[in-house]
Amino acid sequence: GQQVMQIPQYQHVQEGEDFTTYCNSSTTLSNIQWYKQRPGGHPVFLIQLVKSGEVKKQKRLTFQFGEAKKNSSLHITATQTTDVGTYFCAGGNFNKFYFGSGTKLNVKP
Amino acid sequence: AAGVIQSPRHLIKEKRETATLKCYPIPRHDTVYWYQQGPGQDPQFLISFYEKMQSDKGSIPDRFSAQQFSDYHSELNMSSLELGDSALYFCASSWGGRETQYFGPGTRLLVL
Repeated sequence: GQQVMQIPQYQHVQEGEDFTTYCNSSTTLSNIQWYKQRPGGHPVFLIQLVKSGEVKKQKRLTFQFGEAKKNSSLHITATQTTDVGTYFCAGGNFNKFYFGSGTKLNVKP
Repeated sequence: AAGVIQSPRHLIKEKRETATLKCYPIPRHDTVYWYQQGPGQDPQFLISFYEKMQSDKGSIPDRFSAQQFSDYHSELNMSSLELGDSALYFCASSWGGRETQYFGPGTRLLVL
């Protein structure tokens, strides 16, 4: 079956440092979505990538979809304490999405 | 803007009991997804419905069943509950099955 792997599992950074989480799939994905889940909350949609090699930016967040559509990354520049949470990628095809295991980000002020 | 509504928000049951979780998607959304998230784990896809028909099945146990009704709301029925069923159950909805999934606040189920 399709699996979506995500690394690292945990990341502790000092406020102002950069952060990157990587997502890899065993099979080609039709699209990939990124979500952020705060402790005790529900996953909140951040972005969807569809095209091979696509790069999208949201303020300090940069999302990338690999050329082979099997991997993706989320990079946060100059982290802030508000970035704390677990970042999940979710890749899949029509009607079925598999979440990565998530990267838990902790930002020290 | 209206969001996905889930009820109840919290539920406590005993082993071998049954539970029904309800999900009301965002208006005009025709696709519903159910996920189970254990403590410290990622959401595991259970099942999805598109236009009231089951569209895909993930790791949903045989003890669970779900359906989507004519008004597009969905119910997850869980029988013979086990301790391991204790988790956060999320419902998400989207339009057309290919678009962004919007998650509800979840139902926290505790099986004693």
